[in-house]
Amino acid sequence: QVQLVQSGAEVKKPGSSVKVSCKASGGTFSSYAISWVRQAPGQGLEWMGGIIPIFGTANYAQKFQGRVTITADESTSTAYMELSSLRSEDTAVYYCARGLQMATICCAFDIWGQGTMVTVSS
Amino acid sequence: SSELTQDPAVSVALGQTVRITCQGDSLRSYYASWYQQKPGQAPVLVIYGKNNRPSGIPDRFSGSSSGNTASLTITGAQAEDEADYYCNSRDSSGNPLFGGGTKLTVL
Repeated sequence: QVQLVQSGAEVKKPGSSVKVSCKASGGTFSSYAISWVRQAPGQGLEWMGGIIPIFGTANYAQKFQGRVTITADESTSTAYMELSSLRSEDTAVYYCARGLQMATICCAFDIWGQGTMVTVSS
Repeated sequence: SSELTQDPAVSVALGQTVRITCQGDSLRSYYASWYQQKPGQAPVLVIYGKNNRPSGIPDRFSGSSSGNTASLTITGAQAEDEADYYCNSRDSSGNPLFGGGTKLTVL
């Protein structure tokens, strides 16, 4: 059974960057999309972007274009999400999630990481 | 428009049936998926496609769709079903999109 294990909580200063990792174990990594979804405190789920590792090209939500970079390392079955120019509104739990179907970023997600809390505070 | 609209809150008596809805233009062409999220936990996929349940999801959960509205029905709601429920489909760019979520209270 595939599992996604994310890196630990982060506390960052406004204006800095954060990089969160998501390591897959127990199954196929390269052919399934990994997306990043965030959830601000008390708020809903927000898709940020995703990547299909075997293709290597990421899609991003328009809201995050230019500020987020999603990459994947097939050799370690690990995906990364880097968010730059952090502001207080970026304080949230960041989840990685695997796409249900092979070779497509959209739309259902069947396996989720445990979440990584990112706090942006001066 | 690229939005999925859900009622913020719904309640159901224990053992009764409840329907949670999701409205959006994309739902005229694409199925919604549904997720259950309990406090402090990651979301869990409960319904995808026309009406498919991942392994381990009880058969009291079902999905349906009509026009621009997708529905998640829980038949015989249990106390453990109290949670937030999110629908997702796609936006006009073909990217994933989530509804705002519905808080389900089991009375």
